[in-house]
Amino acid sequence: GQNIDQPTEMTATEGAIVQINCTYQTSGFNGLFWYQQHAGEAPTFLSYNVLDGLEEKGRFSSFLSRSKGYSYLLLKELQMKDSASYLCAVQGTNAGKSTFGDGTTLTVKP
Amino acid sequence: DVKVTQSSRYLVKRTGEKVFLECVQDMDHENMFWYRQDPGLGLRLIYFSYDVKMKEKGDIPEGYSVSREKKERFSLILESASTNQTSMYLCASSSGQGREQYFGPGTRLTVT
Repeated sequence: GQNIDQPTEMTATEGAIVQINCTYQTSGFNGLFWYQQHAGEAPTFLSYNVLDGLEEKGRFSSFLSRSKGYSYLLLKELQMKDSASYLCAVQGTNAGKSTFGDGTTLTVKP
Repeated sequence: DVKVTQSSRYLVKRTGEKVFLECVQDMDHENMFWYRQDPGLGLRLIYFSYDVKMKEKGDIPEGYSVSREKKERFSLILESASTNQTSMYLCASSSGQGREQYFGPGTRLTVT
């Protein structure tokens, strides 16, 4: 099975940088996703890592270390609209099935 | 534009009723998923399907069944609704391994 850990809540200031960590223990690994979910809305895809290293996409970057079972999502130049829940999801080797962490609720303050 | 739709945004049912939640995707995706999302428990997989008429149990299948008669449609069935099935239900689809999931808007089900 999969075990995924993320911090429950984080707070940061507008314009700052924040790093949201995700650690996982897995019996099969095919990649790691990050999703963003605003309150009352569905999750939307942010990033996907399958190889070790950093993937950059605009203000958002995601890092993966497969040997350490560790990933992080880095958000730069924070904006108020970045206040949301961020979900880490590990994809196993079974038909594209993913296991989701409980999510990290990020609050961006002025 | 990619689209996953769910039949209802809000639904109120009584204990013991049979409940159908419908999900339709227009992306010709092979994989479809049903999750429930509860505060403090995150997204939990109920069932998923990797092809027409194929289904596999997720982490919490008890009390639920599914049907996939056509590629674009995946139905979640609560045979006899109970109050502990009050939750937000999210449907998703993806084109396979290494591909992101696209989520529907969710159905908030209340069982009284």
